Amino acid sequence: DAKTTQPNSMESNEEEPVHLPCNHSTISGTDYIHWYRQLPSQGPEYVIHGLTSNVNNRMASLAIAEDRKSSTLILHRATLRDAAVYYCILRRPSNTGKLIFGQGTTLQVKP
Amino acid sequence: GAVVSQHPSRVICKSGTSVKIECRSLDFQATTMFWYRQFPKQSLMLMATSNEGSKATYEQGVEKDKFLINHASLTLSTLTVTSAHPEDSSFYICSARGLHDSGNTIYFGEGSWLTVV
Repeated sequence: DAKTTQPNSMESNEEEPVHLPCNHSTISGTDYIHWYRQLPSQGPEYVIHGLTSNVNNRMASLAIAEDRKSSTLILHRATLRDAAVYYCILRRPSNTGKLIFGQGTTLQVKP
Repeated sequence: GAVVSQHPSRVICKSGTSVKIECRSLDFQATTMFWYRQFPKQSLMLMATSNEGSKATYEQGVEKDKFLINHASLTLSTLTVTSAHPEDSSFYICSARGLHDSGNTIYFGEGSWLTVV
C-alpha cells in the first residue's frame, strides 16, 4: 500500500475551521483515501473517505487535489471533542480491510 | 452505526500467565477481523488478520505461538496472549470488516488495555 505523509501535530482554536493535510504522492489510480481519528484511549473512528471528488458528511469534508497526490480533511468548526490523532490511509478496493496506520496528526484544540 | 465490542476493556495479569481478549461484532457479520497493538504515544501496529474458520495470517515479526488468534464465528474473534510478560503490556485493538464492505465499513473496537505485572 502507498504511503502517506502528515504533519506530526497541529493546533486550532475552538470553533474555527481546521485543515489537516495529507500527502500521498505514490497513490495509485484505484486507491481510496480514508481518514480515521483516534480519541485518547479509544479505538479509531471512521471519519470520511473519497476517491476523486470532494466529499462531505456530518463529521467533515474531504478535499482531494486534482492530481490526487494530496488531500485535506476539513473540520468546519473545531470543538474540544475533536482533539484526537487523525490518520490518513490509502486503501485499495481489493484490500481485505487491512489498514496500515502511519503516525497521523495530533490535533490540539484550544478553548 | 455498526458496533464492535471488546472485552475486557482493561485487564491486569501476572507475568507468565495467559490472557484472552474478545472482539465481537454486535450487529453485523464480520468475514475478517484484524488485531492491532498500540504502545503509548505510538501508532497502531497491525498484528494479524483473522478470517472466520481459517488460520490467522500474522504480520512479519509477530509470534503466532505467543499471540493465538481464533475466529470461530462470524461475530467473534479472540486474541490470547500466552505466557505474558511486562513487555506485552499494551493497548490491543480489533477491527472488523462487514460482509458487505463497501469501502468504509471497517469498524474498530474500543480497545483493551493489558498490563502484565
